[in-house]
Amino acid sequence: EAQVTQNPRYLITVTGKKLTVTCSQNMNHEYMSWYRQDPGLGLRQIYYSMNVEVTDKGDVPEGYKVSRKEKRNFPLILESPSPNQTSLYFCASSSRLAGTGFGELFFGEGSRLTVL
Amino acid sequence: GDSVTQMEGPVTLSEEACLTINCTYTATGYPSLFWYVQYPGEGLQLLLKATKADDKGSNKGFEATYRKETTSFHLEKGSVQVSDSAVYFCALSDNYKLTFGKGTLLTVNP
Repeated sequence: EAQVTQNPRYLITVTGKKLTVTCSQNMNHEYMSWYRQDPGLGLRQIYYSMNVEVTDKGDVPEGYKVSRKEKRNFPLILESPSPNQTSLYFCASSSRLAGTGFGELFFGEGSRLTVL
Repeated sequence: GDSVTQMEGPVTLSEEACLTINCTYTATGYPSLFWYVQYPGEGLQLLLKATKADDKGSNKGFEATYRKETTSFHLEKGSVQVSDSAVYFCALSDNYKLTFGKGTLLTVNP
C-alpha cells in the first residue's frame, strides 16, 4: 500500500530536549516536504527536498533541521524545541512531473507535538 | 509572493444542500490549482486539481473551474452528505512549491 509514515504520532516533550520526527515513503518519490498546521494559519511549509542530498527552506524553517540521506526518508529534527513549536506536523511526498511541477502530494497522518 | 485566500468558516449545512467554498489566488506565473480535503484525525488528501485556465477538476461530486480572468477556483457540490464534513484547503503550485489557503471547516448535519 502506497503510504507516508510518520513517527511518533503524538509526543509531549519539554523545552530544550532534542527530538526527531521520522518520515518514510514507499512510493519512490523524489520530492518530500514538511508542513506545520496551526489554527487560523493553515499549513505552512518548513523544509522541502527535491531529491537525495538536496534540501531547501520553506516559509518557516527557524528552529528546525532536516536531512535527506536516502530517497525514502526525510526526518525533521528539533534541536532545542520551544513552546512555539507546539503544532501538528505533516510530512508529504510527491513524484516530479516535467513541465508542470509536481504531481499529487501524499500526506502522512500527522504528528502532534506538544512542547512544555 | 504567491498566496491563496479562501472563505473563512466554519460552514454548516444540512444534508443535500448546495455547497460553494470560494477561493482566489495571487501568483506571478501560471500555477496549477488544487483542492485538498482533511477528514477528522487524518492527513490531507487530494480532492481535485486543474492545471490550466478553463480546466474543470471533479471528484466525488465536487467540481472547481480554473478561472484565470477572476483568479478563482471555487469548490462546488450540488448536494452535500454528512460524510463530506471535513476541512477543505485550496492550494496552488508554481514549480515545486505548494501554497495553501487557511482551510474551511465544513459541517454537514443530517
